[in-house]
Amino acid sequence: GEDVEQSLFLSVREGDSSVINCTYTDSSSTYLYWYKQEPGAGLQLLTYIFSNMDMKQDQRLTVLLNKKDKHLSLRIADTQTGDSAIYFCAESAYSSASKIIFGSGTRLSIRP
Amino acid sequence: EAEVAQSPRYKITEKSQAVAFWCDPISGHATLYWYRQILGQGPELLVQFQDESVVDDSQLPKDRFSAERLKGVDSTLKIQPAELGDSAMYLCASSLGGGSPLHFGNGTRLTVT
Repeated sequence: GEDVEQSLFLSVREGDSSVINCTYTDSSSTYLYWYKQEPGAGLQLLTYIFSNMDMKQDQRLTVLLNKKDKHLSLRIADTQTGDSAIYFCAESAYSSASKIIFGSGTRLSIRP
Repeated sequence: EAEVAQSPRYKITEKSQAVAFWCDPISGHATLYWYRQILGQGPELLVQFQDESVVDDSQLPKDRFSAERLKGVDSTLKIQPAELGDSAMYLCASSLGGGSPLHFGNGTRLTVT
């Protein structure tokens, strides 16, 4: 069945780059998403990538997709304290009834 | 920017009581989702609507949970009776469908005592 896996924790120094990794199993996945969740809040869409792309950049965020290995990563450049949150990877297969499957989330903490 | 509205923000109830959550999606979004998020985990889909029709409720505990979206706009999720294990964040999301990104509300934090 479909599954999305992420490492649970990541700690980086302020100003460094953060790289959050995700693997997925559904080869028919067509969209892959990154969401950010701050304490007590809902999920905020950060960015998403279509499976026929291998990279997408949006300001400090860079998404890399390796479709052969079913590996997705999110790089945050110049990490700031406001980036502290839980980051969720999610996948869906294209259809009008597409189901979005989420990973368990990676908690990013920032060291001064 | 348009948002998904959810209420209440917090709900504390005793076990065996009934609770209901409300969601108003972004205008024009035909697809509406209810997710449950247990602390420390990712969201799990409970039910998905396309307009007023349920397209996926395979993970909805139908003996106690019900969901409706009568006019294809706002939606209500009900739990009756609530159990201690239902304590979680209940998130509503909407999208245009077809793989379009989901937009989430701020959720309802349910505590069952």
